[in-house]
Amino acid sequence: QQPVQSPQAVILREGEDAVINCSSSKALYSVHWYRQKHGEAPVFLMILLKGGEQKGHEKISASFNEKKQQSSLYLTASQLSYSGTYFCGTELRSGNTPLVFGKGTRLSVIA
Amino acid sequence: GAVVSQHPSWVICKSGTSVKIECRSLDFQATTMFWYRQFPKKSLMLMATSNEGSKATYEQGVEKDKFLINHASLTLSTLTVTSAHPEDSSFYICSARDRIQGGIEQFFGPGTRLTVL
Repeated sequence: QQPVQSPQAVILREGEDAVINCSSSKALYSVHWYRQKHGEAPVFLMILLKGGEQKGHEKISASFNEKKQQSSLYLTASQLSYSGTYFCGTELRSGNTPLVFGKGTRLSVIA
Repeated sequence: GAVVSQHPSWVICKSGTSVKIECRSLDFQATTMFWYRQFPKKSLMLMATSNEGSKATYEQGVEKDKFLINHASLTLSTLTVTSAHPEDSSFYICSARDRIQGGIEQFFGPGTRLTVL
């Protein structure tokens, strides 16, 4: 049930864009995106519910394609502070259920 | 967002001892909390679901007698690693949702780094 994330790692220069994908073989109810910096707990970025919605927060946005059971996280005009490991967590149904996380995508932004 | 705290933030212990980790929801009540474990450069692996007032639900492969979970109140869940061994060294993180307020975001505590010598 673990979602599959791609790419595994990416290196960007400041100002460049990146896309991180998260896909599931099962029908999803929701997709949650987190960023984790070394030695720290994951920080919540955003959540997408089934219905194909798209959300954005400043230069970070995400979409959820219900037909493909795939979510994508878009990072535009990347900043040094964007560096970290990005995880998607998925839920198969509504309710107080735990998230199942992908293996993560390590993003490094260099000057 | 909702705040989840953990204590201690790090602990070093000798092999064979037991270690208790506390997870608290500071500004909301959590009927359910989740315990995850993370090895270096790896993903978060769900260990168990902690339910207030009832037994925890453990994931396959997680020894319930080794990782004791108690969820005695709506704001506190504890994870006790019994007879810890070096292979138990890891980053343990709890999370919870503010379901009463209808929240769907899952907030994580700051984590506890356990090192067993």
